[in-house]
Amino acid sequence: QVQLQESGPGLVKPSQTLSLTCTVSGGSISRGGYYWSWIRQRPGKGLEWIGHIYYSGSTYYNASLKSRVTISVDMSKNQFSLKLTSVTAADTAVYYCARDGSSYYGYFDYWGQGTLVTVSS
Amino acid sequence: QSALTQPASVSGSPGQSITISCTGTSSDVGSYKHVSWYQQHPGKAPKLMIYEGSKRPSGVSNRFSGSKSGNTASLTISGLQAEDEADYHCCSYAGSSTLVFGGGTKLTVL
Repeated sequence: QVQLQESGPGLVKPSQTLSLTCTVSGGSISRGGYYWSWIRQRPGKGLEWIGHIYYSGSTYYNASLKSRVTISVDMSKNQFSLKLTSVTAADTAVYYCARDGSSYYGYFDYWGQGTLVTVSS
Repeated sequence: QSALTQPASVSGSPGQSITISCTGTSSDVGSYKHVSWYQQHPGKAPKLMIYEGSKRPSGVSNRFSGSKSGNTASLTISGLQAEDEADYHCCSYAGSSTLVFGGGTKLTVL
């Protein structure tokens, strides 16, 4: 059974960089066949796809966030990470990591529990 | 890309059927079969209910069905039950390995 767990600071100051890590257990990122995504949900709002990464390091991002986002993978730790720079209050959200069971077509079959990140001074 | 458009809320009585729409454009929903639907209970992570427009993952009730016409995808829940009360989100492939979600719909079972 694949499990994902987000970790990182719950509070980030405006203009700083948000950094989160997703640890995958029960399956190896390096096995290939799946894209690994970051998705967020602002308070009371819908889901927003941030971007995804393949084990090879190929990344694709939401155009609206592309200038501020970097997703990377560490296969030795079976983790992938999110960095979002120059954050503002609008980046306050629950951040989820998820596995796309269809390669990259958006069939997210495994999710982390989500972690709330608040941007505030 | 802009978010897909979903109604903010829908409601129905137990046993009834409801349909949630998800409207995109010819660049996403209208061009690809890759539409998925997620159920999300309060404080929980979303759960995949429909993929590839109309397919159900193992374990998902056959009361849930999906369809698509033009730029609009739809999720229908038949025989509404109290436990179906949740938020529902649609997601579409938008080309170039990118994805777009809808704004979410709150389903109330009366």
